[in-house]
Amino acid sequence: KQEVTQIPAALSVPEGENLVLNCSFTDSAIYNLQWFRQDPGKGLTSLLLIQSSQREQTSGRLNASLDKSSGRSTLYIAASQPGDSATYLCAISGNTGKLIFGQGTTLQVKP
Amino acid sequence: NAGVMQNPRHLVRRRGQEARLRCSPVKGHSHVYWYRQLPEEGLKFMVYLQKENIIDESGMPKERFSAEFPKEGPSILRIQQVVRGDSAAYFCASSPSTGGKKETQYFGPGTRLLVL
Repeated sequence: KQEVTQIPAALSVPEGENLVLNCSFTDSAIYNLQWFRQDPGKGLTSLLLIQSSQREQTSGRLNASLDKSSGRSTLYIAASQPGDSATYLCAISGNTGKLIFGQGTTLQVKP
Repeated sequence: NAGVMQNPRHLVRRRGQEARLRCSPVKGHSHVYWYRQLPEEGLKFMVYLQKENIIDESGMPKERFSAEFPKEGPSILRIQQVVRGDSAAYFCASSPSTGGKKETQYFGPGTRLLVL
């Protein structure tokens, strides 16, 4: 059974810092891995999707990596801004396309 | 190009009533997924549907919950005889006709159900 774990559960950093969010999964037989952002009381916004055959994806200040053999992914945020404050969710796509989510990392970027 | 739409955004029901949640996928998407986010918990998969078919309902509670995605109209998640433990945010997501395995799923804003 696939399990997804995110560390840390919460993170508070000053504006401008570079930071790394971690995601680990127990079963390497995945189709893809996605990173989402969720703002309080809102839905999910897809940030990056990494196919199982890829090692990383980049979008602006965000870079996500995938290491299937070790069951790990990281989301790197460069030059963090207060607007980056949100909960970041990692999700694995299973064999029917359903997503298995981690518990999330709640990020606060202080001005 | 409208995104995934869910209504209502907020729903209040008394114990024993029925809750009906609607999801209109992105135009042209034929795959719909429902997820539930209980307070202080992560998102959990409930059911995956294609037009007129339930593909995977492994996350659905065995009783009181049902889902459909008719040929015409929105997908419906129905909860009969609601209990307080059903209070949660219910999210719908859709993906293109190739299916969600390799495609991004697009999420709606969610319906927040409160059972009194």
